[in-house]
Amino acid sequence: DVKVTQSSRYLVKRTGEKVFLECVQDMDHENMFWYRQDPGLGLRLIYFSYDVKMKEKGDIPEGYSVSREKKERFSLILESASTNQTSMYLCASSLSGRGDNQPQHFGDGTRLSIL
Amino acid sequence: SQQGEEDPQALSIQEGENATMNCSYKTSINNLQWYRQNSGRGLVHLILIRSNEREKHSGRLRVTLDTSKKSSSLLITASRAADTASYFCATDERMDSSYKLIFGSGTRLLVRP
Repeated sequence: DVKVTQSSRYLVKRTGEKVFLECVQDMDHENMFWYRQDPGLGLRLIYFSYDVKMKEKGDIPEGYSVSREKKERFSLILESASTNQTSMYLCASSLSGRGDNQPQHFGDGTRLSIL
Repeated sequence: SQQGEEDPQALSIQEGENATMNCSYKTSINNLQWYRQNSGRGLVHLILIRSNEREKHSGRLRVTLDTSKKSSSLLITASRAADTASYFCATDERMDSSYKLIFGSGTRLLVRP
C-alpha cells in the first residue's frame, strides 16, 4: 500500500513566520502535489512536481514555494505566513512521468493555523 | 478553474438505502475519478473511469459516465454508516507538459444507522 506521510497533523504559526510543510511518499512515485482545502472551495492545487528538482505552478501558487531535492520528499514553504493561509494542506503522489490517468494517493493533511 | 461540480452538496439517507451523487464538468476529459474523504483525513481514490467507458463497477460502487452530457454519477448501493464521508469527482486537465486533476467541491453524505 502506498503511504504518503505529512510531518504534522496540526500546526500553529505566527504571521510573518517562514513555514515548512513536509511530505514523504514511499512508493517511488514520480509525481507529487500540494493542495489546500477550504470549506466551499474544494481542493485547489498550489504546486506540483513530476520529477526531482522540477516544479510547476498550480492554480494558487502566490505566497508559496516548493522544494523537491529527493524523489520521495516534497516540501511546501510559506515564505511569510499570513492569516489567509490558514487552511488544511494536503499532499498527494501518483505514478507516471506526466501524471495523466493515474490515481493520486493522499496524506492525512496538515491543519495549519496562522495567528 | 472549476471543472467538476457535484450535486447534491449534501445527502442524508438511512442505512441500507442507495446513495446517488452526480458530477458535471465543462471541458473534454481523458478520465474522471471519484474520491472519498472521511472527516479530518486525506482523500482516498475509489474508482477511475476513462472517457471511452460508460460504466464501471467496484464492489458496492457503480460509476457511469456520459461524455455527451459531460456528467458522471456515483451510486453506492446498500449504504452503511461507514460510508459517511465527503465524495469528490476529479477530472484531468492538460497542462503544458503534464496533467493535473481538478476537483469539485464535493457531496457530503450522511448515512444514518
